[in-house]
Amino acid sequence: GAGVSQSPRYKVAKRGQDVALRCDPISGHVSLFWYQQALGQGPEFLTYFQNEAQLDKSGLPSDRFFAERPEGSVSTLKIQRTQQEDSAVYLCASSFSSGNTIYFGEGSWLTVV
Amino acid sequence: QKEVEQNSGPLSVPEGAIASLNCTYSDRGSQSFFWYRQYSGKSPELIMSIYSNGDKEDGRFTAQLNKASQYVSLLIRDSQPSDSATYLCAVNQVANTGNQFYFGTGTSLTVIP
Repeated sequence: GAGVSQSPRYKVAKRGQDVALRCDPISGHVSLFWYQQALGQGPEFLTYFQNEAQLDKSGLPSDRFFAERPEGSVSTLKIQRTQQEDSAVYLCASSFSSGNTIYFGEGSWLTVV
Repeated sequence: QKEVEQNSGPLSVPEGAIASLNCTYSDRGSQSFFWYRQYSGKSPELIMSIYSNGDKEDGRFTAQLNKASQYVSLLIRDSQPSDSATYLCAVNQVANTGNQFYFGTGTSLTVIP
């Protein structure tokens, strides 16, 4: 596609519910990143893929967070048993290769009530 | 210490003035540097990238890099109200696990008509 596409754009989850956020990167982009952005803060790194390999997941805040990119294209960020502190915008970004400029999707706004 | 530090502001400048935004980073091995603009409720969009010491100009924007001082800045000449946004500094670091992009918390800029 022309840009990074994320869905859903907005999600309201009840505390304890599982959610799945999808990212479709720019076609041909090898690297894919997930960030979490709380209100008034900069994007915080969560995890990074190169093709289907998850090279770094050091930013995932707990074992409730899980990300995958099984075919090296679309990625899913899953949050189990959501908590209120998970409320944030989840940004996906992709780049053509390592070190190149990263381009962001519009984000998935998660509110946990 | 965070990887990337920015003054959160807010920074206010009158229309037509020069806005100066600053950023420092901790990893001396960082390879490349980026400035993103983020309007409220929107995702970050790339303004400029810079890879070598010195200045890089693009229209009203000038990025400045000083690797010895681990310092990056962005100057916006002839500031316009439409420049009012949060400006994010991003740094690309090469790690064993590949390339990482770290963001500062952002500087909020308001251009007063």
